[in-house]
Amino acid sequence: QSAPTQPRSVSESPGQSVTISCTGTSSDVGGYNYVSWYQQHPGKAPKLMIYEVTKRPSGVPDRFSGSKSDNTASLTISGLQAEDEADYYCCSYTGNNWVFGGGTKVTVL
Amino acid sequence: QVQMVQSGAEVKKPGASVKVSCKTSGYTFTNYRIHWVRQAPGQGLEWMGWINPNSGGTSYAQKFQGRVTMTRDTSIGTAYMEVSSLRSDETALYYCARDLGWGKFDYWGQGSLVTVSS
Repeated sequence: QSAPTQPRSVSESPGQSVTISCTGTSSDVGGYNYVSWYQQHPGKAPKLMIYEVTKRPSGVPDRFSGSKSDNTASLTISGLQAEDEADYYCCSYTGNNWVFGGGTKVTVL
Repeated sequence: QVQMVQSGAEVKKPGASVKVSCKTSGYTFTNYRIHWVRQAPGQGLEWMGWINPNSGGTSYAQKFQGRVTMTRDTSIGTAYMEVSSLRSDETALYYCARDLGWGKFDYWGQGSLVTVSS
């Protein structure tokens, strides 16, 4: 099972928007509406930001949103803030198992 | 409040085995699957497998089949993961995570560092 592909890094100024893509196949991202996104700050455990493609857990700012088209899922962060600087990982169901994307470093300029 | 507390750091020689524990509290242990995820230094997250604490059923990523065993002790709300035949490139932080369902990993342990070195 290959990991879904994510850009290694994205950067943008505060207040702007960034979109992180997670490109898989019809056997994972494209085949199920079970894609989640995790934020990880250095030295910390991952934190759930989006689940089931578009759903946001309570406590996660509505600046974070998720979507999916065909084999590509996306995480958009609107109104970028300094504390959003972190690594982001997508995670997709593959039919009984799961696979993480390679991760994307978001830098707030 | 939900807590997942993992065992401490371990140093192992190549070829050895390691068993990491994940002690849970604050919820009914048997209601939710527990997943194990590892992260090598400076690298990304890698999904390893899950255990259903109620039935003991497991599923492992293909690359770990035959080398990873996940178990649980329902009497103390603790999940375990054992990795055998360790290699030096398996030095990593090993995390447990609670799954509310369909990949909703809402609570994570603090991670257990396993160092594999001769």
